[in-house]
Amino acid sequence: EAGVAQSPRYKIIEKRQSVAFWCNPISGHATLYWYQQILGQGPKLLIQFQNNGVVDDSQLPKDRFSAERLKGVDSTLKIQPAKLEDSAVYLCASSPRAGSEAFFGQGTRLTVV
Amino acid sequence: AQSVTQPDIHITVSEGASLELRCNYSYGATPYLFWYVQSPGQGLQLLLKYFSGDTLVQGIKGFEAEFKRSQSSFNLRKPSVHWSDAAEYFCAVGVPSGTYKYIFGTGTRLKVLA
Repeated sequence: EAGVAQSPRYKIIEKRQSVAFWCNPISGHATLYWYQQILGQGPKLLIQFQNNGVVDDSQLPKDRFSAERLKGVDSTLKIQPAKLEDSAVYLCASSPRAGSEAFFGQGTRLTVV
Repeated sequence: AQSVTQPDIHITVSEGASLELRCNYSYGATPYLFWYVQSPGQGLQLLLKYFSGDTLVQGIKGFEAEFKRSQSSFNLRKPSVHWSDAAEYFCAVGVPSGTYKYIFGTGTRLKVLA
């Protein structure tokens, strides 16, 4: 079974630039999550999709972050404009059903300079 | 609000010694509980999970964890640590949110001495 795929693995941008991350969840997984992991901290949920609908985006900084999940499969997370404090690893995860564990991708490490 | 506390930021043990990583959670009902491990530059890998039933759960790589409702704890243990166990360990609680969401602790970084 293929795992959660994320790209790119690494990205360096200047502040005020824009950036996008892509995630392909495990086939058949209805729920998709984006987490932000700042160095030395645990992952923090940014947004959760159930199929192509948003379930929880309460911690997403909506003035600069946006996310979509097309046709209930792939998802993109965008930051525009980026700030220095956005430097982090962005993890995508998927889950087949409520109450199951989440399966994580390898993450995208973003450095904003 | 739901939360997870991992009181030990760093732990150092000698190879072959036993290990216990602490995790306390705050949640009104019995949550689903997880331990994940993260090696440098990698995503999170599930070690074990507790949903219900036997409070002592076995996971991969020789790890086990015990759910203690009275202490709101879910501590991770391993009887004999290997050098390859050096990594960061995250405890997480799963709570209903539309479907489900996972709240993570801040992690414990394990160092293993040869």
